[in-house]
Amino acid sequence: AQTVTQSQPEMSVQEAETVTLSCTYDTSESDYYLFWYKQPPSRQMILVIRQEAYKQQNATENRFSVNFQKAAKSFSLKISDSQLGDAAMYFCAYRSGRGSTLGRLYFGRGTQLTVWP
Amino acid sequence: DSGVTQTPKHLITATGQRVTLRCSPRSGDLSVYWYQQSLDQGLQFLIHYYNGEERAKGNILERFSAQQFPDLHSELNLSSLELGDSALYFCASTPGLTGTEKLFFGSGTQLSVL
Repeated sequence: AQTVTQSQPEMSVQEAETVTLSCTYDTSESDYYLFWYKQPPSRQMILVIRQEAYKQQNATENRFSVNFQKAAKSFSLKISDSQLGDAAMYFCAYRSGRGSTLGRLYFGRGTQLTVWP
Repeated sequence: DSGVTQTPKHLITATGQRVTLRCSPRSGDLSVYWYQQSLDQGLQFLIHYYNGEERAKGNILERFSAQQFPDLHSELNLSSLELGDSALYFCASTPGLTGTEKLFFGSGTQLSVL
């Protein structure tokens, strides 16, 4: 089964600074997708960014970017110019691109991000 | 707003009881996924339905069951509730079955078993 590991239970960053959240995963598949989800205190799961495994180019969404290292099975999230509203729990997730587990998300345990003013 | 509606938002019940959680997917979405989020287990996949049929099961207890109705809404039934069943239950929907589709999550049902 696929596993997703987030080794940083908590991280903190000063407002306007940059922070990187780490994620590693284990899979034998070649077709898959990786995601970062944000869960603020409202508990809503919000998709932050998505990366297709077949794409070499790292995904970027405004202040959010990823460093996807396929060989190392690493998928980190960089948040630039951090804002108070970025404070949340961040989950890394894996999704198969085919097969019986298609569509199912495997989540890491999360990283609680605190943003200091 | 994701377009996925879950009711109720909060549910408080006692051990041994049975509850039903409801999920209405986004208009036109045929796939519904159920997830459980607890402090002990984190976020875990429970079950997936597509157009009324069960497609995949995850770590779902035998005391739990689900179904998807012809109008595509889904219900998760939890019976003989235990303290450890207290968790946030999410549903998510997608249009179909391809891995490229984005999952849209509801706001969850917080279940407290006392």
